[in-house]
Amino acid sequence: GAGVSQSPRYKVAKRGQDVALRCDPISGHVSLFWYQQALGQGPEFLTYFQNEAQLDKSGLPSDRFFAERPEGSVSTLKIQRTQQEDSAVYLCASSLGTGELFFGEGSRLTVL
Amino acid sequence: AQTVTQSQPEMSVQEAETVTLSCTYDTSENNYYLFWYKQPPSRQMILVIRQEAYKQQNATENRFSVNFQKAAKSFSLKISDSQLGDTAMYFCAFISRNSGNTPLVFGKGTRLSVIA
Repeated sequence: GAGVSQSPRYKVAKRGQDVALRCDPISGHVSLFWYQQALGQGPEFLTYFQNEAQLDKSGLPSDRFFAERPEGSVSTLKIQRTQQEDSAVYLCASSLGTGELFFGEGSRLTVL
Repeated sequence: AQTVTQSQPEMSVQEAETVTLSCTYDTSENNYYLFWYKQPPSRQMILVIRQEAYKQQNATENRFSVNFQKAAKSFSLKISDSQLGDTAMYFCAFISRNSGNTPLVFGKGTRLSVIA
């Protein structure tokens, strides 16, 4: 596609529910990043893929967070047993590996 | 670990005036990129300008220019002839070129308001 596409744009979950956030990167971009952005803050790195390989997951805040990119294209960020502190915008970005990242519009998660 | 510091949480500027946003960073590396990203209220992060550390010449993109001081580890953004559409959060970011697997590190951002 023309840009990075994320869905859903908005998600409201009850505490304890599982959620899945999808990212469709720009076609041909081998690198894919997930960031978490709390209100009024800068994006914080969660995890990174090169093709289907998850090369860095050091930013995932707990074992409730899981990301995958099984075919090296679409990626899913899954959060199990959501907590209120998980409320944030989750940004996906893709890159050709030249340093510049192209971002999606984000998925805003609100946990009640 | 690299860190990026933006010391101005909020700034405002009159339309058509010039404003400078500050950014400092800390790294032991010599080969890296620096970026300024803009995030309007719609949330999508857009690249404004980028600077390669090995280039001494400051990058410019139309009304946007940077003052890159490598020794001081400073990377400020100057916006000339400010427009209402420049109102947004601005993030300074760093990425190492030494490894292809390092993530982009962001500062906490500066909220810029352009006033008519």
